[in-house]
Amino acid sequence: EAGVVQSPRYKIIEKKQPVAFWCNPISGHNTLYWYLQNLGQGPELLIRYENEEAVDDSQLPKDRFSAERLKGVDSTLKIQPAELGDSAVYLCASSFATSGANVLTFGAGSRLTVL
Amino acid sequence: KQEVTQIPAALSVPEGENLVLNCSFTDSAIYNLQWFRQDPGKGLTSLLLIQSSQREQTSGRLNASLDKSSGRSTLYIAASQPGDSATYLCAVVTGANNLFFGTGTRLTVIP
Repeated sequence: EAGVVQSPRYKIIEKKQPVAFWCNPISGHNTLYWYLQNLGQGPELLIRYENEEAVDDSQLPKDRFSAERLKGVDSTLKIQPAELGDSAVYLCASSFATSGANVLTFGAGSRLTVL
Repeated sequence: KQEVTQIPAALSVPEGENLVLNCSFTDSAIYNLQWFRQDPGKGLTSLLLIQSSQREQTSGRLNASLDKSSGRSTLYIAASQPGDSATYLCAVVTGANNLFFGTGTRLTVIP
């Protein structure tokens, strides 16, 4: 099994440009998460999907960030326009259960550098 | 809001030593606590999951304990090896099914 696949692995853009990240979760996993990880910090939740529904997007800066999970499988996270402070690693994770016992599987992350 | 703290932030030990990583959290109303490993430039790998009703979990040389009432967990690594060098993160799961992560402990095992 391929695990959680993210692309691109690295992206360098100038500020004010748009950027998009893609995530393919583990087959059969109904819950998908996008996390933001700044250097030297733990990941922080941006948005959580259960199937195709965004059930928690309270930490997503909606003025510039958007996400979608069409058909409840793959997901994209978009930033437009990007700011210098958006430089970070964007992690995608998926899990099967929606109870508190679920174990998340993480992708390798997409590292964004905004110049 | 749940806050998770990990001490120390960094740790260097010679190969073969036993070591303990600490994690504390402010709200004891958790479903479970998980320990993750993160290698440089990589995603997170789940190591151990302790349900709120459990006291500890073991996997090979790793042993994690949980004292929910005091808001503390420890990760014990026996007979450390250079391959154990990584950042170790703890995370607690709350009723909203979200993980709150600590800032991690960067471990270096010196051959």
